[in-house]
Amino acid sequence: DTGVSQNPRHKITKRGQNVTFRCDPISEHNRLYWYRQTLGQGPEFLTYFQNEAQLEKSRLLSDRFSAERPKGSFSTLEIQRTEQGDSAMYLCASSLKGLLGTHEQYFGPGTRLTVT
Amino acid sequence: QQQVKQSPQSLIVQKGGISIINCAYENTAFDYFPWYQQFPGKGPALLIAIRPDVSEKKEGRFTISFNKSAKQFSLHIMDSQPGDSATYFCAATTNVRNTDKLIFGTGTRLQVFP
Repeated sequence: DTGVSQNPRHKITKRGQNVTFRCDPISEHNRLYWYRQTLGQGPEFLTYFQNEAQLEKSRLLSDRFSAERPKGSFSTLEIQRTEQGDSAMYLCASSLKGLLGTHEQYFGPGTRLTVT
Repeated sequence: QQQVKQSPQSLIVQKGGISIINCAYENTAFDYFPWYQQFPGKGPALLIAIRPDVSEKKEGRFTISFNKSAKQFSLHIMDSQPGDSATYFCAATTNVRNTDKLIFGTGTRLQVFP
């Protein structure tokens, strides 16, 4: 399978615990995005990387959230001191950004986080 | 100005009928408009996309109509099938400032009955 993969698919954690999610993009894609989707809503942008550089962060990304893409390949999203409001589907997408503008973003299956 | 407004919230169509979902935007800098299909528990799958230099794009049973002056675009699903039952999201983005984050609509839940 050469699509975007995410692990774990589901995570249940207790309030106050730290969690980390991983995203593996399509291999030749240089851009990687994180979105969050709550029930009945469209995905909301969190942050994105071009290669290893984190170029933009949404105001939704509080200080408890941190994302990395250390070698420009896979990415991790960590949430510290989780709160019940963090319960959502965390989606990763990747694209190939060329010289001629926007390219298609392909999404992974998501990680469903439940904070109890 | 960053919003994308989508309607209807839900849609019920008979098998073989035409499903139509509408979106409107405000930001005239948007230059790429994709539609995504999402099944329960899955990530969104790119269905079809359009740029504002064309008024219509067709791929199989799926057609996007784009009205630049009205700042509206719509998805038409011809010959709707029960397997098309899913949630559909429109989205928009711009390459201005080298960012192409997607701004999504709120989604339309489509149910196609046999």
